[in-house]
Amino acid sequence: SYELTQSPSVSVSPGQTASITCSGDKLGDKYVCWYQQKPGQSPVLVIYQNNKRPSGIPERFSGSNPGNTATLTISGTQAMDEADYYCQAWDRSTVIFGGGTKLTVL
Amino acid sequence: EVQLVQSGAEVKKPGESLKISCKGSGYSFTDYWIAWVRQMPGKGLEWMGIIYPDNSDTRYSPSFQGQVTISADKSITTAYLQWSSLKASDTAMYYCAKRGRSDHSFFMDVWGKGTTVTVSS
Repeated sequence: SYELTQSPSVSVSPGQTASITCSGDKLGDKYVCWYQQKPGQSPVLVIYQNNKRPSGIPERFSGSNPGNTATLTISGTQAMDEADYYCQAWDRSTVIFGGGTKLTVL
Repeated sequence: EVQLVQSGAEVKKPGESLKISCKGSGYSFTDYWIAWVRQMPGKGLEWMGIIYPDNSDTRYSPSFQGQVTISADKSITTAYLQWSSLKASDTAMYYCAKRGRSDHSFFMDVWGKGTTVTVSS
């Protein structure tokens, strides 16, 4: 079965750029989306179809998906961006989630 | 406003049955797939399955096939997730989510607040 791999944790200083990666075989051939989940809250879609932002998501969130690794980039990271981030793809009528990355802003 | 309103928290004993619900509003319920996602305490998101409410076409994750049943009643714009015999390992938060508009990808643009299920003797 298809798998998506994320690093368990990423740390970033406020104002700096955070990069969260998601790897999978030929992932660039699929569409990837990203969810943000803060403690005690439901996931929120922040990027879909590799690089599109839903309405209401700040411009500092961006995405790319070349090759085998998709990346969620948060420019000018703020304390409010501290959360778990999950990548997700669609393969053979199956939804696949990455294991999640805890972003710490310190 | 597009919303998915989930039923309240449940506390059950092992072996009991359970059906939780997810009511959609603010959009054409029959036009979008609904997904169910499990999150065990302190763990990540796991896709359980999806249903197309218009015709109840249902797909299950291999991990959950035979373990749960997903259904929908389009007349009341509600999707369901049910168990016939709960286990302690079913203790988790369960989210429903609506598929976003796309023919070529599957992403979930609206999520319910989740239903906590606790199974304990």
